[in-house]
Amino acid sequence: AQSVAQPEDQVNVAEGNPLTVKCTYSVSGNPYLFWYVQYPNRGLQFLLKYITGDNLVKGSYGFEAEFNKSQTSFHLKKPSALVSDSALYFCAVSPISGGYNKLIFGAGTRLAVHP
Amino acid sequence: DAGVIQSPRHEVTEMGQEVTLRCKPISGHDYLFWYRQTMMRGLELLIYFNNNVPIDDSGMPEDRFSAKMPNASFSTLKIQPSEPRDSAVYFCASSLRGNYGYTFGSGTRLTVV
Repeated sequence: AQSVAQPEDQVNVAEGNPLTVKCTYSVSGNPYLFWYVQYPNRGLQFLLKYITGDNLVKGSYGFEAEFNKSQTSFHLKKPSALVSDSALYFCAVSPISGGYNKLIFGAGTRLAVHP
Repeated sequence: DAGVIQSPRHEVTEMGQEVTLRCKPISGHDYLFWYRQTMMRGLELLIYFNNNVPIDDSGMPEDRFSAKMPNASFSTLKIQPSEPRDSAVYFCASSLRGNYGYTFGSGTRLTVV
């Protein structure tokens, strides 16, 4: 079955420290991969995507993600966390590349950045 | 562009009443999605449209739920009759073919009492 796993319900980080939010996926073929962020009482906002090419993808607000095909992972990273990064983060995968298909979302990981 | 616009932002209704949620996608986007978000089940895709045609409604929980897209700039999700277990945040999203990510609306928080 096609799925996305975010193994951590919550990640706690001190401000200024690097952060990683983990994501692994199980889909056939070469998927498109995405990260979204949700702030309280708001919709999901697009952060970044991997379609093809360089395994390190840079996105909004200083975030980046590393695609690892052998480990089927797409972890979200940021070198120096800000308190304002505290939010709910969703990893998503689209199983079919080159065409269109619905996004499959992970359960979400709550990031808490402490001053 | 004002983004994906959903109305109302909040809806409180009594069990058994009809509820209609509305969505205006981004102009030019040819895909529209309805999602439901709850603490227990996370984000669930209910239905999606391509060029106003429903493509996959396998996520619609039961016959009480229906969705329409009469034109490229408007969609509705209707629940009739509503039940307390329908309480959730309902999101609409739109995108362009090519899989370059979705744009989500701010959601409608539905409470059925």
